[in-house]
Amino acid sequence: AQRVTQPEKLLSVFKGAPVELKCNYSYSGSPELFWYVQYSRQRLQLLLRHISRESIKGFTADLNKGETSFHLKKPFAQEEDSAMYYCALSGISTDKLIFGTGTRLQVFP
Amino acid sequence: DADVTQTPRNRITKTGKRIMLECSQTKGHDRMYWYRQDPGLGLRLIYYSFDVKDINKGEISDGYSVSRQAQAKFSLSLESAIPNQTALYFCATSDRTGARSYNEQFFGPGTRLTVL
Repeated sequence: AQRVTQPEKLLSVFKGAPVELKCNYSYSGSPELFWYVQYSRQRLQLLLRHISRESIKGFTADLNKGETSFHLKKPFAQEEDSAMYYCALSGISTDKLIFGTGTRLQVFP
Repeated sequence: DADVTQTPRNRITKTGKRIMLECSQTKGHDRMYWYRQDPGLGLRLIYYSFDVKDINKGEISDGYSVSRQAQAKFSLSLESAIPNQTALYFCATSDRTGARSYNEQFFGPGTRLTVL
């Protein structure tokens, strides 16, 4: 079955602390993995995708096929990182996204 | 700016009523999607359309129907609304580029629907 699991509903850290939002997936084949973010009163938007191997707003995510994980990391959290984060996957031949249940990140000053 | 818009933004209705949520986009994208968001459940795909003549069910299509009136318009209907359809509904679009699909989806602002 195709599934994305985000085990943490809420993650609270202080400013400057490292952050890791966990994402595990189940997919028969080679999926594309994404992180989407929803800031307060803003639309859901793409943060980063594994194929790009990029760092956006200090966040990175590495696809670990052996552990079927795509954890999102940032070494030093900022208050403006507070948001809802969704991990998502799609198959190679489709644009359909399967979303995880989301993790709310709270960064305290 | 090219955009994805949804109307209405908020709607309160009663059980048994027919409701239509509309989505329009000026991005020129071929592909459009309807999701619902529920607390603790994330976003779940209701229907999607890869072009005007192509409409497909998502994982939770029961109780919903859609219409792709044009490339730019994709409407979601609840034929007879029920309380457990109370949720935040999102429309999204994407564009297919190249042979492999790594396409970003662009989301509308959402419609908050309450069924009493």
